[in-house]
Parts: sequence; C-alpha cells; structure tokens
Amino acid sequence: DTGVSQNPRHKITKRGQNVTFRCDPISEHNRLYWYRQTLGQGPEFLTYFQNEAQLEKSRLLSDRFSAERPKGSFSTLEIQRTEQGDSAMYLCASSHRDYGYTFGSGTRLTVV
Amino acid sequence: AQTVTQSQPEMSVQEAETVTLSCTYDTSENNYYLFWYKQPPSRQMILVIRQEAYKQQNATENRFSVNFQKAAKSFSLKISDSQLGDTAMYFCAFMINTDKLIFGTGTRLQVFP
Repeated sequence: DTGVSQNPRHKITKRGQNVTFRCDPISEHNRLYWYRQTLGQGPEFLTYFQNEAQLEKSRLLSDRFSAERPKGSFSTLEIQRTEQGDSAMYLCASSHRDYGYTFGSGTRLTVV
Repeated sequence: AQTVTQSQPEMSVQEAETVTLSCTYDTSENNYYLFWYKQPPSRQMILVIRQEAYKQQNATENRFSVNFQKAAKSFSLKISDSQLGDTAMYFCAFMINTDKLIFGTGTRLQVFP
C-alpha cells in the first residue's frame, strides 16, 4: 500500500461545470476525511466517513457539494455548478483507531 | 468552539540553528490531542509530532520537540539543528477523541544556508 491516493492532481474547469474528485485511502483505514485548503490558509474540515457512513458534514459543505464512500473503500467528492470561490486544494486523509492521519497529495481545483 | 492560533505567519532561521514556532489553542475539553504537520511546497502534509493532552512529558521526535503547557493552552514546536529540507509550512492542529483535525493558519518557515 503506497498511501492515500488522490485523482486528479489538478483540475481546471469552467464556472458552472460539475467536477468529481476521487480518493483511495490506505486499505486498512476505516476513517476517511475531506478538507479544503485555500492559499495561505490551514485546511478546513468538510466531511468524514467511518466505513461507508458519512458521520459529519461541515457548514462549508453547501448543497452543491456531495461526498460518497460506497462500500467503505474509495470516496468521491462532487461539486456541482462550480463557482470561482470553489478554487482550492481539496485534501483527503485516512486514519485508523490510533488517530494517525495520512494525507494524500490533494487535488488542486481552478475554476475559470 | 475549538480554535487554533498561530501568531507567526513567517519565520526564518539559519541552517544548523534552532527555531521555535508558536501555537495556542482554545478548548473546554480535558482530553485531546495536538499535532504539528509539515507541508513542503507543492507536497503533501506530513505528521511531524503529536502530543496527548493527558501526558505531562513533552513529545520528542529526533530534532523536533514540543513545549506543551496545558494550563496556558500553548503548544510550541522547537526544531533543532535546522536543515534546508525543513523549509515548509508548519501547521498546528487539534483533535478531540478521534474526531476531525482543526488546523491553525500556519507558519511559513524558511531555512537559509
């Protein structure tokens, strides 16, 4: 297992388009987290899953955002009708009981 | 609400010297965890060190150590014998139980030769 994998690494999209990102966690990790990081800021929590159950969603996650983790393995984060304010780095992390997070390299989204 | 404050947006240090990054946090909880993460330019977030609040002994990982002052809600990171590879953004983070991480705004550290 090579760690947390995120695809794509970069995404440029036109305003109003839908985008979907994928995260493959470390296989034995039962928790998966999504964060958003804008330039010069720390990551902000968006949502997290324990196995396939989505346990918490941040107020940052508007109705245009949806996340899934079917079968408790990989996860997808979809943004509908993208806006310029959605431009950010989207980070995925996974963890197991020892609360140690492993982060992926992130997906950088640019909305033009 | 839990908050994490890093009051130093940027720091610089000469190679081989020691530097301390500051972090304060606010919580009413008694049991929690504190972390320092390193984010090199265009690279992924890496865990540097972590501290359990119930432990009085300060955590140490090679050249990295923390000064954990629970009463003052302070959690500083000391980097000894700084190396060029330490150049990165450093984020202080806080967690209750095994819940989500709450991050500070980060400190950009530049190590000069």
